[in-house]
Amino acid sequence: DQQVKQNSPSLSVQEGRISILNCDYTNSMFDYFLWYKKYPAEGPTFLISISSIKDKNEDGRFTVFLNKSAKHLSLHIVPSQPGDSAVYFCAASAPDSGAGSYQLTFGKGTKLSVIP
Amino acid sequence: KAGVTQTPRYLIKTRGQQVTLSCSPISGHRSVSWYQQTPGQGLQFLFEYFSETQRNKGNFPGRFSGRQFSNSRSEMNVSTLELGDSALYLCASSRTGTGLSGANVLTFGAGSRLTVL
Repeated sequence: DQQVKQNSPSLSVQEGRISILNCDYTNSMFDYFLWYKKYPAEGPTFLISISSIKDKNEDGRFTVFLNKSAKHLSLHIVPSQPGDSAVYFCAASAPDSGAGSYQLTFGKGTKLSVIP
Repeated sequence: KAGVTQTPRYLIKTRGQQVTLSCSPISGHRSVSWYQQTPGQGLQFLFEYFSETQRNKGNFPGRFSGRQFSNSRSEMNVSTLELGDSALYLCASSRTGTGLSGANVLTFGAGSRLTVL
């Protein structure tokens, strides 16, 4: 059972336009959400995060929106640049179970291509 | 500062063999997590270590094991390799691994790509 879903395997956007990447989750215990970006032959790089007590978080060109009632989050990139072309992973975490540890549950990723 | 270093970057093994992968976390980071990435399953959590103790384990068979040393370096081992173990194995470190904040997000290494023939 996939708890974090990214239903679009790929997305193509013109340079300068907005990129919107979507993510749905099923586990209502998730309270922290992150986006990672991955280039080929590199590990995922942290991009932006949001706590479940917020509905929006901005960092420069990147904004993440969280809709808890719909169990949906999205990443907006404005304006999109060719260097943004990468695979984007949505990830989520539930509160510490008491073991003093947490794990991230990832979606399968969306490959973004920004066309010059 | 130096990032998370994983060795080897690429390796090829045959079915039935075993493999050991190594991870050196960022200096000062005491938590090390391992993830498996495959095209079909995405990134899946293997286990997490802190102060030489495994604190959390994902849903993988016992053939997958790991350990952490006193200097926080970690190794993972896969025994009796199967074709389905072909994957990118990613190591990630964080300061404590507890609670999520901007200071504790996972920093990943580039991964070790294992091919099982």
